[in-house]
Amino acid sequence: AQSVTQPDIHITVSEGASLELRCNYSYGATPYLFWYVQSPGQGLQLLLKYFSGDTLVQGIKGFEAEFKRSQSSFNLRKPSVHWSDAAEYFCAVGDGNFGNEKLTFGTGTRLTIIP
Amino acid sequence: DTAVSQTPKYLVTQMGNDKSIKCEQNLGHDTMYWYKQDSKKFLKIMFSYNNKELIINETVPNRFSPKSPDKAHLNLHINSLELGDSAVYFCASSAWDTSWELFFGEGSRLTVL
Repeated sequence: AQSVTQPDIHITVSEGASLELRCNYSYGATPYLFWYVQSPGQGLQLLLKYFSGDTLVQGIKGFEAEFKRSQSSFNLRKPSVHWSDAAEYFCAVGDGNFGNEKLTFGTGTRLTIIP
Repeated sequence: DTAVSQTPKYLVTQMGNDKSIKCEQNLGHDTMYWYKQDSKKFLKIMFSYNNKELIINETVPNRFSPKSPDKAHLNLHINSLELGDSAVYFCASSAWDTSWELFFGEGSRLTVL
C-alpha cells in the first residue's frame, strides 16, 4: 500500500529565509504527488502537483517541488518565506483508477515563521 | 461565495447521540468526499461519491452513513457517537477531469463528551 512520510513535525523559519519541507513516499508505480496547505481554521488548498514530465514543478504562492525518483522524495521549497506562509503543509500521493481516485496524506509539517 | 461549505462548523455532543454534518459545493463538481482529521492532524479518506453513487468506503464503522441527495450535496450522519469520533471532518469535491485536485471545505469540528 502507498504511504507518505513527512519527517519534520514542526519547522521554524525566519521571515525572508529559504524553506524546504521534506516528503518521502512509498508507491509501486509512478506516483501522482501533491502538496496541500492548511491555514489555521481552514480547509486544505492545493499548492502544486506532479503527474509526469518535468521533475521540478511550480505551484501557487511562489512554491516549487522537485520529484526525485531515486530518493522517493518530493520536497517542497520556497526561496523566501513570508509571515503569511505559516500553516500546516501536507504531502500526498494519489492512488486508484479513474473514477476511484484516492489521496493518501502524510502527517503534515507545521511551519512557524518568526520575524 | 464559498465553494465548498459545511455546517455546522462546531458540534459538541454527548456519547450515544446521533448527529449530522451537511456539505454543499457550488463548483459543479461530480465527485465529493469526506475526510477525517484526527487530533494529530492525520487526514484519512472516509467516503467518496461520484454523481450520487458511492465509490470509496474506507472501512468506516457502519455508524457512519453518507447520503448524497444530488451531486452538489454530501451529508454525513453518525449514529451512537463515541469518544473516538471526536475529530475534524472535511468535505471536499473534485471535477471528473481533474479528480486529484480536491477543493476542501473549512471543516466541522466534532467533540464527543
